[in-house]
Amino acid sequence: NAGVTQTPKFRVLKTGQSMTLLCAQDMNHEYMYWYRQDPGMGLRLIHYSVGEGTTAKGEVPDGYNVSRLKKQNFLLGLESAAPSQTSVYFCASSVYTGELFFGEGSRLTVL
Amino acid sequence: GESVGLHLPTLSVQEGDNSIINCAYSNSASDYFIWYKQESGKGPQFIIDIRSNMDKRQGQRVTVLLNKTVKHLSLQIAATQPGDSAVYFCAENWGAAGNKLTFGGGTRVLVKP
Repeated sequence: NAGVTQTPKFRVLKTGQSMTLLCAQDMNHEYMYWYRQDPGMGLRLIHYSVGEGTTAKGEVPDGYNVSRLKKQNFLLGLESAAPSQTSVYFCASSVYTGELFFGEGSRLTVL
Repeated sequence: GESVGLHLPTLSVQEGDNSIINCAYSNSASDYFIWYKQESGKGPQFIIDIRSNMDKRQGQRVTVLLNKTVKHLSLQIAATQPGDSAVYFCAENWGAAGNKLTFGGGTRVLVKP
């Protein structure tokens, strides 16, 4: 029962470097999401997808890009990392409405 | 924009007592609400949900109450246990396309032995 799997779990980047976070779900969910969580705060939606080949902006999309080439995968990219992007990133998936299932998180530090 | 907020950032409760976590929401169009539990270093876990056509829903040791008149949501945990220590988030879905949830800032529950 893998559910939602995120890789990598930890990453340290230097300012200006690029990276991709991978999210994979095995529940055949249509919807997938990327959230970020900063210390002492709730989750803020970065981007989301309502199906394979689709993406849309959330609350805080600037500095990030996403792709959903396969239904089970949702990639989050940082083209030029900034210290303000230091955060814990959570991927989630869901059916059309209702409960979101979250991964364990990916902790990113940008120096 | 619309937001979901919490009244208390930290709640200390004696083991065995009941816990009540409160949440205020401001979007009257919200039609679905969820409570999540997040333990340190882990992702949020679903606890219980409620739709706007209900005012109460019960699960195992948890009850969610929804008061649409004052736009208030609460989570009650009965007989709080050490394993209940975590941060609790309420979230609302105001029916936007894509099943997007807006999360509150979270309440930390500390269970004292």
